[in-house]
Amino acid sequence: TQLLEQSPQFLSIQEGENLTVYCNSSSVFSSLQWYRQEPGEGPVLLVTVVTGGEVKKLKRLTFQFGDARKDSSLHITAAQPGDTGLYLCAGATGSGAGSYQLTFGKGTKLSVIP
Amino acid sequence: DAGVIQSPRHEVTEMGQEVTLRCKPISGHDYLFWYRQTMMRGLELLIYFNNNVPIDDSGMPEDRFSAKMPNASFSTLKIQPSEPRDSAVYFCASSLLQGAAEAFFGQGTRLTVV
Repeated sequence: TQLLEQSPQFLSIQEGENLTVYCNSSSVFSSLQWYRQEPGEGPVLLVTVVTGGEVKKLKRLTFQFGDARKDSSLHITAAQPGDTGLYLCAGATGSGAGSYQLTFGKGTKLSVIP
Repeated sequence: DAGVIQSPRHEVTEMGQEVTLRCKPISGHDYLFWYRQTMMRGLELLIYFNNNVPIDDSGMPEDRFSAKMPNASFSTLKIQPSEPRDSAVYFCASSLLQGAAEAFFGQGTRLTVV
């Protein structure tokens, strides 16, 4: 069983601050995804990173996949109240029929205070 | 496509009763996942199907839980008999047959067993 540890578990910051959340594992993943979940809704995909060392930017969000494809980070610049939510990382293993699986971390609950 | 559709959105039942949760995946998706989300344990994979065939049910907590996928457009998760510790939000998700495929989640069913 692949385990994904996310830190911090909770984060409360003021609007305009920067933050980084982390996703770590001892397992190697073929790809890693970041999702954002709002109350009462299912998680929604933000980004998928596939290559070790890959960096992807989505407006104020920067995602990085570790060189060994075991860890990832999400950095938010100038956080806004609309960024509030639960951020989940998910590691994918396998790619062929019958072997694909997506394992989630417990998430980082972010609150951005106006 | 309307996305992944789950029903009911909320279910309150008495301990010992049978509960059936329903899911309609996105048309054309080859994989269907059932997850359970709690504050303590996060998002846990219960079982997943590939082309309607159960592939991995190692996450199903007990024999009281069962899941079926009689066709490509419908799946059920059944709990019989239900217990208070089964209270959680149950999510269904579907994805295409790709290694880094996005998982599309339904809005979830919030189950309360009293």
